[in-house]
Amino acid sequence: LAKTTQPISMDSYEGQEVNITCSHNNIATNDYITWYQQFPSQGPRFIIQGYKTKVTNEVASLFIPADRKSSTLSLPRVSLSDTAVYYCLVGDLDSSYKLIFGSGTRLLVRP
Amino acid sequence: EAQVTQNPRYLITVTGKKLTVTCSQNMNHEYMSWYRQDPGLGLRQIYYSMNVEVTDKGDVPEGYKVSRKEKRNFPLILESPSPNQTSLYFCASSSLTSGRFNEQFFGPGTRLTVL
Repeated sequence: LAKTTQPISMDSYEGQEVNITCSHNNIATNDYITWYQQFPSQGPRFIIQGYKTKVTNEVASLFIPADRKSSTLSLPRVSLSDTAVYYCLVGDLDSSYKLIFGSGTRLLVRP
Repeated sequence: EAQVTQNPRYLITVTGKKLTVTCSQNMNHEYMSWYRQDPGLGLRQIYYSMNVEVTDKGDVPEGYKVSRKEKRNFPLILESPSPNQTSLYFCASSSLTSGRFNEQFFGPGTRLTVL
Protein backbone atom coordinates (compact mmCIF):
# COMPACT_ATOMS: atom_id res chain seq x y z
CA LEU A 1 0.00 0.00 0.00
CA ALA A 2 1.61 3.21 -1.14
CA LYS A 3 1.84 5.92 1.47
CA THR A 4 2.49 8.79 -0.91
CA THR A 5 1.38 9.54 -4.44
CA GLN A 6 3.19 11.73 -6.93
CA PRO A 7 2.93 12.27 -10.68
CA ILE A 8 5.19 9.87 -12.51
CA SER A 9 6.74 12.52 -14.70
CA MET A 10 6.67 16.20 -15.56
CA ASP A 11 8.14 18.29 -18.34
CA SER A 12 9.22 21.89 -18.13
CA TYR A 13 11.39 24.46 -19.83
CA GLU A 14 14.34 26.39 -18.54
CA GLY A 15 13.36 29.44 -16.54
CA GLN A 16 9.91 28.20 -15.61
CA GLU A 17 8.60 27.52 -12.15
CA VAL A 18 7.82 23.87 -11.48
CA ASN A 19 5.37 22.63 -8.87
CA ILE A 20 5.31 18.96 -7.90
CA THR A 21 2.51 17.79 -5.64
CA CYS A 22 2.60 14.80 -3.32
CA SER A 23 -0.44 13.24 -1.71
CA HIS A 24 -0.10 11.70 1.75
CA ASN A 25 -3.59 11.18 3.09
CA ASN A 26 -2.55 9.12 6.12
CA ILE A 27 0.25 11.30 7.43
CA ALA A 28 0.78 10.99 11.18
CA THR A 29 0.51 13.94 13.50
CA ASN A 30 4.22 14.12 14.23
CA ASP A 31 5.50 13.31 10.76
CA TYR A 32 7.52 15.79 8.76
CA ILE A 33 7.35 16.01 4.98
CA THR A 34 10.66 15.86 3.21
CA TRP A 35 11.68 16.13 -0.41
CA TYR A 36 14.73 14.67 -2.05
CA GLN A 37 16.37 15.03 -5.44
CA GLN A 38 18.15 12.16 -7.17
CA PHE A 39 20.36 12.15 -10.23
CA PRO A 40 21.05 8.88 -12.10
CA SER A 41 23.34 6.47 -10.23
CA GLN A 42 23.67 8.83 -7.27
CA GLY A 43 22.18 8.73 -3.82
CA PRO A 44 19.25 11.03 -3.11
CA ARG A 45 20.01 14.49 -1.84
CA PHE A 46 17.92 16.35 0.74
CA ILE A 47 16.17 19.43 -0.64
CA ILE A 48 13.69 20.70 1.92
CA GLN A 49 11.59 19.66 4.89
CA GLY A 50 8.49 21.08 6.51
CA TYR A 51 5.70 20.39 8.93
CA LYS A 52 3.02 22.93 8.00
CA THR A 53 2.37 26.10 6.01
CA LYS A 54 5.36 27.21 3.97
CA VAL A 55 9.08 26.64 4.12
CA THR A 56 11.63 28.25 1.81
CA ASN A 57 15.34 27.79 1.37
CA GLU A 58 17.85 28.73 -1.28
CA VAL A 59 16.80 25.85 -3.50
CA ALA A 60 13.04 25.45 -3.22
CA SER A 61 9.81 26.20 -1.40
CA LEU A 62 7.48 23.73 0.22
CA PHE A 63 3.78 24.45 0.61
CA ILE A 64 1.70 22.41 3.04
CA PRO A 65 -2.02 23.01 3.51
CA ALA A 66 -3.64 22.99 6.91
CA ASP A 67 -4.88 19.40 6.65
CA ARG A 68 -1.34 18.25 5.71
CA LYS A 69 -2.71 15.60 3.38
CA SER A 70 -0.65 16.91 0.52
CA SER A 71 2.40 19.04 -0.12
CA THR A 72 3.81 20.91 -3.10
CA LEU A 73 7.46 21.31 -3.91
CA SER A 74 8.09 24.48 -5.87
CA LEU A 75 11.27 24.94 -7.89
CA PRO A 76 11.68 28.50 -9.12
CA ARG A 77 13.22 29.15 -12.53
CA VAL A 78 14.44 25.63 -13.26
CA SER A 79 17.55 24.94 -15.30
CA LEU A 80 18.69 21.89 -17.24
CA SER A 81 20.59 20.69 -14.17
CA ASP A 82 17.32 20.34 -12.29
CA THR A 83 16.44 17.36 -14.46
CA ALA A 84 16.19 14.59 -11.88
CA VAL A 85 13.80 12.43 -9.92
CA TYR A 86 12.11 14.11 -6.97
CA TYR A 87 10.87 12.08 -4.02
CA CYS A 88 8.37 12.98 -1.38
CA LEU A 89 9.00 11.34 2.01
CA VAL A 90 6.88 10.98 5.11
CA GLY A 91 7.19 8.80 8.16
CA ASP A 92 5.39 5.45 8.27
CA LEU A 93 2.13 5.14 10.16
CA ASP A 94 3.35 2.45 12.52
CA SER A 95 6.53 4.19 13.51
CA SER A 96 7.77 7.63 12.66
CA TYR A 97 11.23 6.15 12.26
CA LYS A 98 10.30 3.80 9.43
CA LEU A 99 10.69 6.01 6.40
CA ILE A 100 8.92 5.42 3.14
CA PHE A 101 9.78 7.06 -0.12
CA GLY A 102 7.16 7.83 -2.71
CA SER A 103 7.50 6.53 -6.25
CA GLY A 104 9.14 9.73 -7.33
CA THR A 105 8.48 12.27 -10.06
CA ARG A 106 10.80 12.33 -13.01
CA LEU A 107 11.29 15.97 -14.00
CA LEU A 108 12.67 16.74 -17.43
CA VAL A 109 13.76 20.31 -18.06
CA ARG A 110 14.09 21.21 -21.72
CA PRO A 111 16.12 24.06 -23.19
CA GLU B 1 34.12 16.11 5.21
CA ALA B 2 30.78 14.77 6.41
CA GLN B 3 29.97 11.67 4.44
CA VAL B 4 28.54 8.21 4.20
CA THR B 5 30.77 5.64 2.57
CA GLN B 6 29.85 2.28 1.14
CA ASN B 7 32.00 -0.60 0.01
CA PRO B 8 32.20 -2.13 -2.42
CA ARG B 9 30.71 0.21 -5.02
CA TYR B 10 30.24 -2.60 -7.51
CA LEU B 11 29.92 -6.31 -6.87
CA ILE B 12 29.15 -9.28 -9.07
CA THR B 13 28.61 -12.52 -7.24
CA VAL B 14 26.91 -15.88 -7.61
CA THR B 15 23.81 -17.29 -6.00
CA GLY B 16 24.32 -18.49 -2.45
CA LYS B 17 27.70 -16.89 -1.79
CA LYS B 18 27.46 -14.84 1.38
CA LEU B 19 28.41 -11.21 1.08
CA THR B 20 28.57 -8.08 3.18
CA VAL B 21 28.22 -4.50 2.05
CA THR B 22 29.75 -2.09 4.51
CA CYS B 23 28.41 1.34 5.40
CA SER B 24 30.13 3.90 7.54
CA GLN B 25 29.27 7.48 8.52
CA ASN B 26 31.41 10.11 10.23
CA MET B 27 28.64 12.42 11.46
CA ASN B 28 27.87 10.67 14.75
CA HIS B 29 24.36 9.97 13.51
CA GLU B 30 22.11 7.73 15.54
CA TYR B 31 19.88 6.67 12.66
CA MET B 32 21.12 4.52 9.79
CA SER B 33 19.21 2.79 7.08
CA TRP B 34 19.53 0.60 4.03
CA TYR B 35 17.51 0.98 0.85
CA ARG B 36 17.36 -0.83 -2.42
CA GLN B 37 16.41 0.79 -5.66
CA ASP B 38 15.00 -1.06 -8.63
CA PRO B 39 13.74 0.36 -11.92
CA GLY B 40 10.17 1.52 -11.61
CA LEU B 41 10.00 0.80 -7.89
CA GLY B 42 11.76 3.78 -6.40
CA LEU B 43 13.56 3.45 -3.08
CA ARG B 44 12.46 0.75 -0.67
CA GLN B 45 13.70 0.53 2.88
CA ILE B 46 15.30 -2.76 3.91
CA TYR B 47 16.32 -2.22 7.52
CA TYR B 48 16.95 0.69 9.79
CA SER B 49 18.68 1.28 13.07
CA MET B 50 17.99 3.93 15.65
CA ASN B 51 21.19 3.36 17.59
CA VAL B 52 23.74 0.75 18.55
CA GLU B 53 22.14 -2.67 18.94
CA VAL B 54 18.72 -1.29 17.89
CA THR B 55 17.54 -2.41 14.48
CA ASP B 56 14.17 -2.95 12.86
CA LYS B 57 12.69 -4.10 9.59
CA GLY B 58 11.78 -1.80 6.78
CA ASP B 59 9.49 -2.70 3.91
CA VAL B 60 11.58 -5.38 2.23
CA PRO B 61 13.75 -7.14 4.86
CA GLU B 62 13.49 -10.70 3.52
CA GLY B 63 16.86 -12.14 2.59
CA TYR B 64 18.86 -9.50 4.42
CA LYS B 65 20.47 -9.11 7.80
CA VAL B 66 22.02 -6.12 9.50
CA SER B 67 23.98 -5.39 12.62
CA ARG B 68 24.81 -2.23 14.52
CA LYS B 69 27.66 -2.97 16.88
CA GLU B 70 29.22 0.46 16.50
CA LYS B 71 27.50 3.77 15.99
CA ARG B 72 29.34 4.61 12.78
CA ASN B 73 28.91 1.27 10.99
CA PHE B 74 25.84 -0.50 9.65
CA PRO B 75 26.75 -3.45 7.42
CA LEU B 76 24.21 -5.16 5.20
CA ILE B 77 24.57 -8.93 5.04
CA LEU B 78 23.19 -11.22 2.39
CA GLU B 79 23.58 -14.74 3.78
CA SER B 80 22.51 -16.48 0.59
CA PRO B 81 22.09 -14.01 -2.24
CA SER B 82 19.64 -14.74 -5.02
CA PRO B 83 19.23 -13.12 -8.44
CA ASN B 84 16.18 -11.15 -7.24
CA GLN B 85 18.52 -9.25 -4.93
CA THR B 86 20.29 -7.76 -7.90
CA SER B 87 19.80 -4.08 -7.28
CA LEU B 88 21.32 -0.71 -6.43
CA TYR B 89 21.76 -0.36 -2.68
CA PHE B 90 22.02 2.83 -0.70
CA CYS B 91 23.00 3.39 2.88
CA ALA B 92 21.86 6.54 4.65
CA SER B 93 22.21 8.18 8.03
CA SER B 94 20.62 11.01 9.92
CA SER B 95 20.52 12.60 13.32
CA LEU B 96 17.78 11.75 15.77
CA THR B 97 18.83 14.15 18.48
CA SER B 98 18.45 17.22 16.28
CA GLY B 99 14.87 16.25 15.39
CA ARG B 100 15.68 16.20 11.70
CA PHE B 101 15.99 12.49 11.14
CA ASN B 102 14.21 12.79 7.80
CA GLU B 103 17.18 14.77 6.53
CA GLN B 104 19.18 11.75 5.52
CA PHE B 105 22.66 11.69 4.08
CA PHE B 106 23.06 9.02 1.44
CA GLY B 107 26.08 7.03 0.42
CA PRO B 108 27.18 6.72 -3.22
CA GLY B 109 25.47 3.39 -3.73
CA THR B 110 26.52 -0.22 -4.28
CA ARG B 111 25.50 -1.89 -7.48
CA LEU B 112 25.07 -5.59 -6.81
CA THR B 113 24.60 -8.27 -9.44
CA VAL B 114 23.78 -11.82 -8.37
CA LEU B 115 24.19 -14.39 -11.10
